[in-house]
Amino acid sequence: DAGVIQSPRHEVTEMGQEVTLRCKPISGHDYLFWYRQTMMRGLELLIYFNNNVPIDDSGMPEDRFSAKMPNASFSTLKIQPSEPRDSAVYFCALGQTLNTEAFFGQGTRLTVV
Amino acid sequence: GIQVEQSPPDLILQEGANSTLRCNFSDSVNNLQWFHQNPWGQLINLFYIPSGTKQNGRLSATTVATERYSLLYISSSQTTDSGVYFCAVLDSGGYQKVTFGIGTKLQVIP
Repeated sequence: DAGVIQSPRHEVTEMGQEVTLRCKPISGHDYLFWYRQTMMRGLELLIYFNNNVPIDDSGMPEDRFSAKMPNASFSTLKIQPSEPRDSAVYFCALGQTLNTEAFFGQGTRLTVV
Repeated sequence: GIQVEQSPPDLILQEGANSTLRCNFSDSVNNLQWFHQNPWGQLINLFYIPSGTKQNGRLSATTVATERYSLLYISSSQTTDSGVYFCAVLDSGGYQKVTFGIGTKLQVIP
């Protein structure tokens, strides 16, 4: 089973502030996914990386969102500036390939006030 | 993109009862997973099942890829089974997008 550590677990920030969410894969998986979950839209894939390279960012809602994976052990999702409608739970997930099981972290609950 | 429909949207069961959750998808898929999101928000893998049948304890799943549906069976339900069950698929076409259904919210009452 893959290990994924996300931080922080909860984040409350004011509108307009920059928010950085972190994902630390523990075990070696070639694919890393960022998802967002809201009541209105359910679970949405934002972006995924293969071997640290962004492959598909078509799910990123706006230019305010950006994601990086500087190495196999770390990825960030940044929102700048944040808005109340960005409030959601953000999940990081790992997969050996695009076509195999994905394992999810515990998520970061973001509230933008 | 591919459409994923789950039914029923909500389900209330008495502890000990059995249930079947359904996931229909609109196009051929390379990958199908069932997840359980517990009341604390954690997404837990249940099955990776693009085709065939698998069993794990009281849970089992069947995917009939040619007919574009998957079923999740829960037998002898327990209160710890409560939560939301999601089906997620990866379409087999060039789109290569992972799509989640909206989930089935299950409540098991003692």
